[in-house]
Amino acid sequence: NAGVTQTPKFQVLKTGQSMTLQCAQDMNHEYMSWYRQDPGMGLRLIHYSVGAGITDQGEVPNGYNVSRSTTEDFPLRLLSAAPSQTSVYFCASRQEGYSYNSPLHFGNGTRLTVT
Amino acid sequence: RKEVEQDPGPFNVPEGATVAFNCTYSNSASQSFFWYRQDCRKEPKLLMSVYSSGNEDGRFTAQLNRASQYISLLIRDSKLSDSATYLCVVTRAYEQGNLIFGKGTKLSVKP
Repeated sequence: NAGVTQTPKFQVLKTGQSMTLQCAQDMNHEYMSWYRQDPGMGLRLIHYSVGAGITDQGEVPNGYNVSRSTTEDFPLRLLSAAPSQTSVYFCASRQEGYSYNSPLHFGNGTRLTVT
Repeated sequence: RKEVEQDPGPFNVPEGATVAFNCTYSNSASQSFFWYRQDCRKEPKLLMSVYSSGNEDGRFTAQLNRASQYISLLIRDSKLSDSATYLCVVTRAYEQGNLIFGKGTKLSVKP
C-alpha cells in the first residue's frame, strides 16, 4: 500500500530556480491538496483539486502552480524559488472531491531549502 | 482572530497523567472537526473526528461545543508514545471541505 507518495524528500534550490514537487496517490482519491508547514505557522493550504482537470487556489498560492491531468498525480511547481518558500511541503488526498467528513491522507513531506 | 487557535504548550506531563487540550475556532459555519497527531518531522495523521455528542476512542475523548465554538481533547493514562503535537482541525465554511489546521499543541510525556 503506497498511499500518497511525494518526491523528492529533500531539495536545495538557489533563488530563481524552478522545480516541481511530485505527488502521486494510488487510492483513486478525487481530492488532492498541497500544504506548506512553517515553524509557528501551522499547515497552510497552497492549492487543491477536487478531481482531474479541476484546480483551485488555497490560502497561500502565490509563487506556485499546479495541474491535475490524471486522478493519480498532482505536481506542485515552483516558478522562481525564493527564500520565503523554504518550508516543508505536504501533499494530501481524500476519497471524495467534496466532503466534510473524510480524513486526509498525507504524504511523507518534502523538505525544501532555498538559498 | 485566527480561524483556529490552540495553546502551543508544551505540556510536560508524567506517564499516567490525564491531560486536556483546548481549541477555539472563529467561523460558526464550520461543519466538521478533527484532531490530528503529528510526530516530530513526520506527516500529520488523523487521530479522531469530533462529533457534536462527544466521542471516545480508548483513552482519547473529544468534545465539541458549537455554541462556544470550542473543541477539546482529553487523554487519559498518558503513555510515552503519546508524545507528539496535536493539531486541531476544522473545515472551512463554504469551501469544498478544505481543512484549516491550528498550529498545534505539543505534548511531552515523561517517565
